[in-house]
Amino acid sequence: DIQMTQSPSSLSASVGERVTVTCRASQSISSYLNWYQQKSGTAPKLLIYAASSLQSGVPSRFSGSTSGTDFTLTISSLQPEDFATYYCQQSYITPYTFGQGTKLEIK
Amino acid sequence: QVQLQESGPGLVKSSQTLSLTCTVSGGSISSGSYYWSWMRQPAGKGLEWIGRIFVSGGTNYNPSLNSRVTISVDTSKNQFSLQLSSVTAADTAVYYCAREVVRGVNLDYWGQGALVTVSS
Repeated sequence: DIQMTQSPSSLSASVGERVTVTCRASQSISSYLNWYQQKSGTAPKLLIYAASSLQSGVPSRFSGSTSGTDFTLTISSLQPEDFATYYCQQSYITPYTFGQGTKLEIK
Repeated sequence: QVQLQESGPGLVKSSQTLSLTCTVSGGSISSGSYYWSWMRQPAGKGLEWIGRIFVSGGTNYNPSLNSRVTISVDTSKNQFSLQLSSVTAADTAVYYCAREVVRGVNLDYWGQGALVTVSS
């Protein structure tokens, strides 16, 4: 199985800050990388697909990028509703695998 | 607007079979543009992909669960189902159904999740 390693596992930040979450794949997955946001007690929500494409309806402060097997989710200016857990997921080959999650908390 | 809703028993006894159904509304499960998928999430932990089915009946399963999992589809009811046999406490989790876009290869719509507890 492809291993997805996210960092950091948790992060404290303030409203208005720029935040970056990284995900590394254990092998090449091309651009088959998706990012999800999960708030407590709710289902994950698709934010970014194909590494850098913004899902319809998602604010433009969210963006994704890639460099080889390293993928980055950036929130340009944190808003109060962005405090949640973020997961990356590879969709290059089944079994699809997720990163362990990054919990973004209010500083 | 597509909606997915999981249903099924919230409590299953150890060694028995967990059965959940996902009802799709606002779109046809027979569309050739989507796979229909199951994931699970133990309390306080990350997400695990269980498997998926295409309208033709073709399936892919996670090898870690392969021998215990069956996913099926009922196009007449616009539903797909998950069966997980020989459950143990380790199978206690919130189970999610979701739609996977074939071309985009992403999970764009999810159900709200169903908590299944395995009791001894």
